[in-house]
Amino acid sequence: GQNIDQPTEMTATEGAIVQINCTYQTSGFNGLFWYQQHAGEAPTFLSYNVLDGLEEKGRFSSFLSRSKGYSYLLLKELQMKDSASYLCAVTGGNTGKLIFGQGTTLQVKP
Amino acid sequence: KAGVTQTPRYLIKTRGQQVTLSCSPISGHRSVSWYQQTPGQGLQFLFEYFSETQRNKGNFPGRFSGRQFSNSRSEMNVSTLELGDSALYLCASSAGTSGSNEQFFGPGTRLTVL
Repeated sequence: GQNIDQPTEMTATEGAIVQINCTYQTSGFNGLFWYQQHAGEAPTFLSYNVLDGLEEKGRFSSFLSRSKGYSYLLLKELQMKDSASYLCAVTGGNTGKLIFGQGTTLQVKP
Repeated sequence: KAGVTQTPRYLIKTRGQQVTLSCSPISGHRSVSWYQQTPGQGLQFLFEYFSETQRNKGNFPGRFSGRQFSNSRSEMNVSTLELGDSALYLCASSAGTSGSNEQFFGPGTRLTVL
């Protein structure tokens, strides 16, 4: 079967660092996406990891360990606008099918 | 380049009716995927179309169907609507043939079934 787990909710303080974890068990794993979704809006792409290691993109970084079925999204210098849902999704095979986790709702407080 | 567009943005239907949603992908994109998003189940994959062929299908009943036209525009249809079909329906397009391509999401169609 396919299973993706993320924490349901997280709270952090403006200016701080937060790490959102994602563990997965899927067949035919190809890569892992992170998307950000603000309430009432469509998901927007943050990162894509295929190989093990850390990918840094400004304030956001994403890490993948294929052997452990584990990824995390690291958000630095948190801003109020980072309050959103963060979705972990895996893709396998040569298709456009994404399997999403339930999403982590992050609340940034002043 | 225009983004993914979906019409209509909002829709209210009653049980037993049917509905057709439309998605226009980014120009040049050949893959269109459909997802259902509900508070309880999160984002769930419905199906994917590539070059007018259904390439992959999720675990939804046969009441959910779709198609893709030669210009890559896609439609999905839900027949005999049920209350539980109330959801945000998102479509996403991607450029290439590999599942590793980033999927760009449209704004979604919010369907309410009364």
